[in-house]
Amino acid sequence: AQKITQTQPGMFVQEKEAVTLDCTYDTSDPSYGLFWYKQPSSGEMIFLIYQGSYDQQNATEGRYSLNFQKARKSANLVISASQLGDSAMYFCAMREPGSNYKLTFGKGTLLTVNP
Amino acid sequence: KAGVTQTPRYLIKTRGQQVTLSCSPISGHRSVSWYQQTPGQGLQFLFEYFSETQRNKGNFPGRFSGRQFSNSRSEMNVSTLELGDSALYLCASRLQGSSYNSPLHFGNGTRLTVT
Repeated sequence: AQKITQTQPGMFVQEKEAVTLDCTYDTSDPSYGLFWYKQPSSGEMIFLIYQGSYDQQNATEGRYSLNFQKARKSANLVISASQLGDSAMYFCAMREPGSNYKLTFGKGTLLTVNP
Repeated sequence: KAGVTQTPRYLIKTRGQQVTLSCSPISGHRSVSWYQQTPGQGLQFLFEYFSETQRNKGNFPGRFSGRQFSNSRSEMNVSTLELGDSALYLCASRLQGSSYNSPLHFGNGTRLTVT
């Protein structure tokens, strides 16, 4: 069975600084996909970034980037130049083998950006 | 393009009652999946529908059921409500046949409180 581990229940960062949110995963499938989602207090899950197991380069999307270390089975999210609006829960998720629709989520990290 | 729409946003029910939640996917998306989010268990997959057929089901009791209509709108039903069913229920849609890195798009969720 797949497993996603987010070891940081909460993180604090100063506005304009960078922050790294940790995610480790466990799977026996050589082909997998990892997603990061942001959930503000409104409840909606907002897709941020994707990393495929066969992708040669680390994914980047604007201020978001992934530090993907396949051998360590980690896919840490890096947010650069934090903004107050980045305060939210962040979830790492993995696509189930053979499914494009079923995701296994980690417990999440609550990020607070301080002014 | 409108996002995933879930109604109602909030529901309060009493134990033993039943409840129906509704989800309208993004226009053109024919796959809908449902997730339950609780503080204790986190995000858990409930089921997935495509073309009015349930294709995948999570580890939930039979009190949880769903269906999908020909216009891709989906409903989930919970019968004989228990206190533990209090949760945020999230619906997600995805474009069938899109690339493997295409994410699930989530709605704002329905927050169900069982008293």
